Formats: sequence, structure tokens, C-alpha cells
Amino acid sequence: AQSVTQPDIHITVSEGASLELRCNYSYGATPYLFWYVQSPGQGLQLLLKYFSGDTLVQGIKGFEAEFKRSQSSFNLRKPSVHWSDAAEYFCAVGAEGYQKVTFGTGTKLQVIP
Amino acid sequence: KAGVTQTPRYLIKTRGQQVTLSCSPISGHRSVSWYQQTPGQGLQFLFEYFSETQRNKGNFPGRFSGRQFSNSRSEMNVSTLELGDSALYLCASSWVGGGEKLFFGSGTQLSVL
Repeated sequence: AQSVTQPDIHITVSEGASLELRCNYSYGATPYLFWYVQSPGQGLQLLLKYFSGDTLVQGIKGFEAEFKRSQSSFNLRKPSVHWSDAAEYFCAVGAEGYQKVTFGTGTKLQVIP
Repeated sequence: KAGVTQTPRYLIKTRGQQVTLSCSPISGHRSVSWYQQTPGQGLQFLFEYFSETQRNKGNFPGRFSGRQFSNSRSEMNVSTLELGDSALYLCASSWVGGGEKLFFGSGTQLSVL
């Protein structure tokens, strides 16, 4: 069974500082990996997705993520955080032809001035 | 292009009642998935429908059911509501599901008293 672990429940960073959110997955084959962001009271929006090719994936809003097969990780990064980035971030794993997408428990990001 | 629409936005019910939630996917999308989101359990997969057929189901009791219509609109039903069913119910649509990008609605916030 596929699973996703986000070890950090809550992270606080200063505006302008760099950000890295951790994600580890478990899946037998090559997975589809996603990062979604959720603002309070809203649904989720896709930031980026990886399936194959370049292991460094660029997404929207200046985010990027790196797939490391040897570490079963797909960490999300941003070089300079803006106050509007405060939200909850979810890592997820899916697979082609397999309809269930499994989400991690999320990391809440707080941005301080 | 209209996004995923979920109705109602908020719902208050009492224990033992039943409830029906509605989801209209993005035009042309044939896959609809449902997720339950709670602070303690995070996002949990309920089920996924494609072309009116349930393709995958999560680990929820039989009180949770769903269906999809020929126009891809979907409904989920919860019978004999329990306090623990209080949650944000999110619907997501995509062209074919699985490894694709999911488009989420804003959710229905269900409170069971």
C-alpha cells in the first residue's frame, strides 16, 4: 500500500527566508508525486507534480521539489518565502491507472515578518 | 471555465440523520474523488468514480456511499450520522484520475451535533 509521511506538523519561517518541507513516500513502483497547498477554508491547489524525467521539478508560485529515489523523498523548497505563502502544504502519492491518491498529514506553514 | 462546485458549503445535522452532498466536476472531467478532512486524521480517501462506476474505495464504513451520474456529477451520502463524521468533505475531479492533477472544490463543512 502506498503511504506518505510529512514529519513536520508545523513550521515557522521569517519572510524572505528559505523554506524546505519534507516528504517521504512508500510505493512499490515509480510513483506520481504531488505537492498541494490549502488556504484556510479552501480546497487544495496543485503546486507541482513529478512522474519521470528531471528529478528537480518547478512549480507555481516559485516552488520547486526534488525527487530522490534512494531516499524515497520529495521535499518542497522555496528560496524566499512571502507572507502569502502561509498555508497548509500536503504531499501526495498516486500512480498511473490507480485511482486512489494518498495524502500526507500536512505541514502548516506560518510566516512571520 | 467553471471549477469544481460543491454544495452546500455548510451543513449542520444531528446524530442519526442522513446527509447528501453534491459535487459538480469541471466540464469534461470524468473522474470524481471524495475525501474527508479532519484535524486529527488529515485527508482520507473515501471513493472514486469514473463513468458512473466506483473504481476504488477507502476504509470507511458502509454508511458512506456515493454515486455518479451520466453528466459526471457526483453525490455522496452519509447515513446514521455520528459525531465523528463532522469534517470538511472535499470533492476532486480530473480527466481520468490516478496520476493526474486533481482539481478540488472548496468543500462542504459538515457539523454533526
